[in-house]
Amino acid sequence: AQRVTQPEKLLSVFKGAPVELKCNYSYSGSPELFWYVQYSRQRLQLLLRHISRESIKGFTADLNKGETSFHLKKPFAQEEDSAMYYCALSGGAAGNKLTFGGGTRVLVKP
Amino acid sequence: GAGVSQSPRYKVAKRGQDVALRCDPISGHVSLFWYQQALGQGPEFLTYFQNEAQLDKSGLPSDRFFAERPEGSVSTLKIQRTQQEDSAVYLCASSSATQSSYNEQFFGPGTRLTVL
Repeated sequence: AQRVTQPEKLLSVFKGAPVELKCNYSYSGSPELFWYVQYSRQRLQLLLRHISRESIKGFTADLNKGETSFHLKKPFAQEEDSAMYYCALSGGAAGNKLTFGGGTRVLVKP
Repeated sequence: GAGVSQSPRYKVAKRGQDVALRCDPISGHVSLFWYQQALGQGPEFLTYFQNEAQLDKSGLPSDRFFAERPEGSVSTLKIQRTQQEDSAVYLCASSSATQSSYNEQFFGPGTRLTVL
């Protein structure tokens, strides 16, 4: 069975401080990993996917297959980064349905 | 263009009532997904359509849940004899992907169902 775990429910950091959101997964094959974000009163949207290897809004995430992790990092948090972040996995079956973690709320204080 | 839309945005039902939730995907998107998001949790997969074919309904929690997409566009999620545990946000997502490729899933705003 595939599973995604986000151990932190809430991360509170000050503006300009680094932020790291942890994500661990279990999957028997070669999954695709994603980070989705939901800003206040907005819909869920894709932030980044591991296969793109991009930096989006200053965020990066590296897939570590040995540790089965896909942590999201940003060196200098901004107030507009305050949101709910969900790590998700797609196993390639059933139309690439997504398995989500429980989410981490990030609060960036001024 | 317009994104994924869902209606109603909010629904309050008395326990035992039937409800129908509608999803309008992005025009031309082949794949359509339904997810259920309980309070304080991440979304959980319910069912998947490729065009009008329901290819996976493994996430539907009981036979009270039924989904259809008869013309390969609009989809309806129906819940019969609602129970309190059905209270959640129901999310619809669409994608231009087929089973053999991944493309971004675009989510609707969700329908918040409250069962009293």
